[in-house]
Amino acid sequence: QSALTQPRSVSGSPGQSVTISCTGTSSDVGGYNYVSWYQQHPGKAPKLMIYDVSKRPSGVPDRFSGSKSGNTASLTISGLQAEDEADYYCCSYAGSRWVFGGGTKLTVL
Amino acid sequence: QVQLVQSGAEVKKPGASVKVSCKVSGYTLTELSMHWVRQAPGKGLEWMGGFDPEDGETIYAQKFQGRVTMTEDTSTDTAYMELSSLRSEDTAVYYCALKWLRSRRFDYWGQGTLVTVSS
Repeated sequence: QSALTQPRSVSGSPGQSVTISCTGTSSDVGGYNYVSWYQQHPGKAPKLMIYDVSKRPSGVPDRFSGSKSGNTASLTISGLQAEDEADYYCCSYAGSRWVFGGGTKLTVL
Repeated sequence: QVQLVQSGAEVKKPGASVKVSCKVSGYTLTELSMHWVRQAPGKGLEWMGGFDPEDGETIYAQKFQGRVTMTEDTSTDTAYMELSSLRSEDTAVYYCALKWLRSRRFDYWGQGTLVTVSS
């Protein structure tokens, strides 16, 4: 099972919006509506930000949103804030297995 | 509130085995599905395996088949991940990650355990 494809890095200024893509195949992203996104700050454990493609756990700001089209899922962060600077990983269910993306480093300029 | 507390850092020689533990509090393991994810230095997250409630068995990523064993002690709500035949490429932070049985997301994560493989 190959890792999902994410851009290595994205950046944006405070207040702007950024979108991170996550491309898989019909066996994972395209085959299930079970894409989740995790935020990871340096030296910390990942934190769930989006699940089931577009749902937000309680406590996650509504600035974070998710979507999917075909084999590509996306995470959009609007109204960027300094604390959003982190690594972001997508993850997809793949039928009893799971696959993560390679990760995207978000820099807030 | 579910909390996961993992065992401490380990240093192992190539060829040895390591066993990492993950203690669950705030809920019982029987209601949850435990998985293990690792992260090599400067690299991304990699799913290693976990309990599949639909099959009723633990599923391992093909890459680790034959080298990893994941077990649970429901009397203490502690999960274990044992990785054998260690090599330098296994140097990583190992996370336990918990999900509700029927969900498809990892809601809770341990703090991570650094395993260093070095001669």
